[in-house]
Amino acid sequence: DGGITQSPKYLFRKEGQNVTLSCEQNLNHDAMYWYRQDPGQGLRLIYYSQIVNDFQKGDIAEGYSVSREKKESFPLTVTSAQKNPTAFYLCASSIRPRGPDTQYFGPGTRLTVL
Amino acid sequence: QQQVKQSPQSLIVQKGGISIINCAYENTAFDYFPWYQQFPGKGPALLIAIRPDVSEKKEGRFTISFNKSAKQFSLHIMDSQPGDSATYFCAASGGGSNYKLTFGKGTLLTVNP
Repeated sequence: DGGITQSPKYLFRKEGQNVTLSCEQNLNHDAMYWYRQDPGQGLRLIYYSQIVNDFQKGDIAEGYSVSREKKESFPLTVTSAQKNPTAFYLCASSIRPRGPDTQYFGPGTRLTVL
Repeated sequence: QQQVKQSPQSLIVQKGGISIINCAYENTAFDYFPWYQQFPGKGPALLIAIRPDVSEKKEGRFTISFNKSAKQFSLHIMDSQPGDSATYFCAASGGGSNYKLTFGKGTLLTVNP
């Protein structure tokens, strides 16, 4: 089965802790993305990567970090600097690194800060 | 200029009716307009997409209407079914190397049986 997997499905974090959300794709896509979804806010772009070992900040990158060491993996770390991290996090990928293209989404990780 | 405005925020339709969701954009460089469907607790899935060289695209019961001069596009769901109950997002991207998708805030559609 080709697709995007995200783990864990649910994640609980204490204030002051860093947590890492996993995103893996076996679609052989070049580009990968992280979005944050809050009720009534749509999807907001956190980071994106066009190619291995390269990534750019999206619209709301503060308090987050990413790495892209392998084509199929794009983990997101939510740091303690993120003031309001409780949200639904979505990873996506697309075939081409440039130009408008269909983005395919994973099932998401719901992060709750206790 | 990067905003995509979506309306209505929520919509209730009877089974068999037509659901209409509207989006408007400002950036004239946008040249790709997808619609995504999202069920609770799941990731969005591409439903249908259009490029500005056509005014309408139909796939089954789903149709996108596109008005370039008005900078508006809409999703029509014909013969709406309870299984269509979901949140729908419009999005836009384009403009040279700008491939980021800008999303509307979503419309929660409820189709009553």
